[in-house]
Amino acid sequence: SAVISQKPSRDICQRGTSLTIQCQVDSQVTMMFWYRQQPGQSLTLIATANQGSEATYESGFVIDKFPISRPNLTFSTLTVSNMSPEDSSIYLCSVAAIDWMDEQFFGPGTRLTVL
Amino acid sequence: TQLLEQSPQFLSIQEGENLTVYCNSSSVFSSLQWYRQEPGEGPVLLVTVVTGGEVKKLKRLTFQFGDARKDSSLHITAAQPGDTGLYLCAGGRNAGNMLTFGGGTRLMVKP
Repeated sequence: SAVISQKPSRDICQRGTSLTIQCQVDSQVTMMFWYRQQPGQSLTLIATANQGSEATYESGFVIDKFPISRPNLTFSTLTVSNMSPEDSSIYLCSVAAIDWMDEQFFGPGTRLTVL
Repeated sequence: TQLLEQSPQFLSIQEGENLTVYCNSSSVFSSLQWYRQEPGEGPVLLVTVVTGGEVKKLKRLTFQFGDARKDSSLHITAAQPGDTGLYLCAGGRNAGNMLTFGGGTRLMVKP
């Protein structure tokens, strides 16, 4: 397993601005993922953060809107760009390793409200 | 597209009652995870099952993986208010740790 922290835990932002969310894990991991979740609902995968290369985005998500960085094996950032109220959601990062049997461990999430 | 159908979507019960949550798919998974998420927190992994027919118990929670590895169930005995939360099943395909998540079951246990 791993201990994952996210910053900020919550934020209220104005329309048209951008917010960068940080995800830090206490050990080196193979995979880092970013999800979006509406309260009380299931998770939607945004992208896989790849160390040293461009992130792999899921259908419906693009790099211009959600740029992702992963400079090393313990850290990643997700930026929500040019925000609109529709971007209000919970953003979660998760981590996984090759020998973890497909298990993922999640950070506490970032609750974003866009006015 | 691999879909995981989770049922029921919502469940409100009294303390002491039993309940079962189901997770079904037409696809075979190499593993099946169950997570519980409480408000304001991230999902917490409860259990992973990998063998067809496997049964795992975690105190009052019993998890079963179907023989064909296409479905799973979570049974809670004598539910308590502390069991309240969102339960998520997720299937793995041994492909880069990617998971397919079910739609979630929102459980409320009233004292």
